[in-house]
Amino acid sequence: DTGVSQNPRHKITKRGQNVTFRCDPISEHNRLYWYRQTLGQGPEFLTYFQNEAQLEKSRLLSDRFSAERPKGSFSTLEIQRTEQGDSAMYLCASSSLGIYEQYFGPGTRLTVT
Amino acid sequence: RKEVEQDPGPFNVPEGATVAFNCTYSNSASQSFFWYRQDCRKEPKLLMSVYSSGNEDGRFTAQLNRASQYISLLIRDSKLSDSATYLCVVTALNSGYSTLTFGKGTMLLVSP
Repeated sequence: DTGVSQNPRHKITKRGQNVTFRCDPISEHNRLYWYRQTLGQGPEFLTYFQNEAQLEKSRLLSDRFSAERPKGSFSTLEIQRTEQGDSAMYLCASSSLGIYEQYFGPGTRLTVT
Repeated sequence: RKEVEQDPGPFNVPEGATVAFNCTYSNSASQSFFWYRQDCRKEPKLLMSVYSSGNEDGRFTAQLNRASQYISLLIRDSKLSDSATYLCVVTALNSGYSTLTFGKGTMLLVSP
């Protein structure tokens, strides 16, 4: 399977704990995006990487959130001191340079108890 | 005003029906337009791009009216497998890259 992959698929954590999610984009895609989706809403943009450079962060991304793409391949999204409001599906997408279409991974569903 | 607004839904239709989804967007600088399909608890999947000239893919027809900032999706001869949430998506160019802005989606339920 050469699509976007994400791990873990599900994560249950207690409030206050830190969590980290991983995204592996389609191998030839140099652009990588993180989105968050809550029930009944469309995905909302969080942040964007071109190769290893993080070029844009949404104001939705509080100081507790950090994302990296150290070698321009896979990316990680870390949430520190999780809150119940962080419960959502976290989606990763990738695209090629100059192409608008983005392809999504299966997402990581986070539940904060 | 929300950046991308869609019919609230859900749409309940019998098999074989024709159904139309409407979408409006607020950013006149939007560059590209898409319809994504999302099945329950799954990731969004690209259904089709939308071009100013209109485009068709089998039973699906998408239209774009830039002057009215309006996008539509028509599904003919609905199948049970068309049941899903349809997301209207626009992009805006920001310093050489694009981000997708999604509507809330319209759920379609096709019944036998």
